[in-house]
Amino acid sequence: NAGVMQNPRHLVRRRGQEARLRCSPMKGHSHVYWYRQLPEEGLKFMVYLQKENIIDESGMPKERFSAEFPKEGPSILRIQQVVRGDSAAYFCASSPRVGADSPLHFGNGTRLTVT
Amino acid sequence: EDKVVQSPLSLVVHEGDTVTLNCSYEVTNFRSLLWYKQEKKAPTFLFMLTSSGIEKKSGRLSSILDKKELFSILNITATQTGDSAVYLCAVEAAGNTPLVFGKGTRLSVIA
Repeated sequence: NAGVMQNPRHLVRRRGQEARLRCSPMKGHSHVYWYRQLPEEGLKFMVYLQKENIIDESGMPKERFSAEFPKEGPSILRIQQVVRGDSAAYFCASSPRVGADSPLHFGNGTRLTVT
Repeated sequence: EDKVVQSPLSLVVHEGDTVTLNCSYEVTNFRSLLWYKQEKKAPTFLFMLTSSGIEKKSGRLSSILDKKELFSILNITATQTGDSAVYLCAVEAAGNTPLVFGKGTRLSVIA
């Protein structure tokens, strides 16, 4: 049973370009969460999605950032017109359902570097 | 606003030592507290705690929750260099709310 798959592992973008980060949840998991981690910081929640629905995007910047989880295919976190401050590790996690007995399982992350 | 505070932020010990990592929290409608270990990649799940006073154990690692005093500890006995990592504590509230993480404790175990 494959774990949460994220790609690419590393992504380098110049300021002003777009970054697309992909996340395939574990098989049977329909809940996806995106977190951002800056150096020496904990994981900061960005957005929570179920298939075709955004449930909670309270942690996502209002501009330039968007996320989707289509009926088919991976979840995508999209950052338009990247700036240096977007450089971070972006982690995706999945769970089968909401509840105290289903801990989040994380992918290996995408390290975004904006030059 | 839900909050998780971990201490210490970093710790250096020698192999064989025992360490205790702390996590205090403030959360509305607490559901569970989780510990993760993060080396260079994905945080890996260690424990989920929902009830006070019940110790969870896995090998040399153990953890306990105190819901009255709003904290948890993670103990590692007979530490090894492979225990070197960042240990993250997170709390989950009831409902469709995301995990809130602390900043982590960076543990370095030296031979």
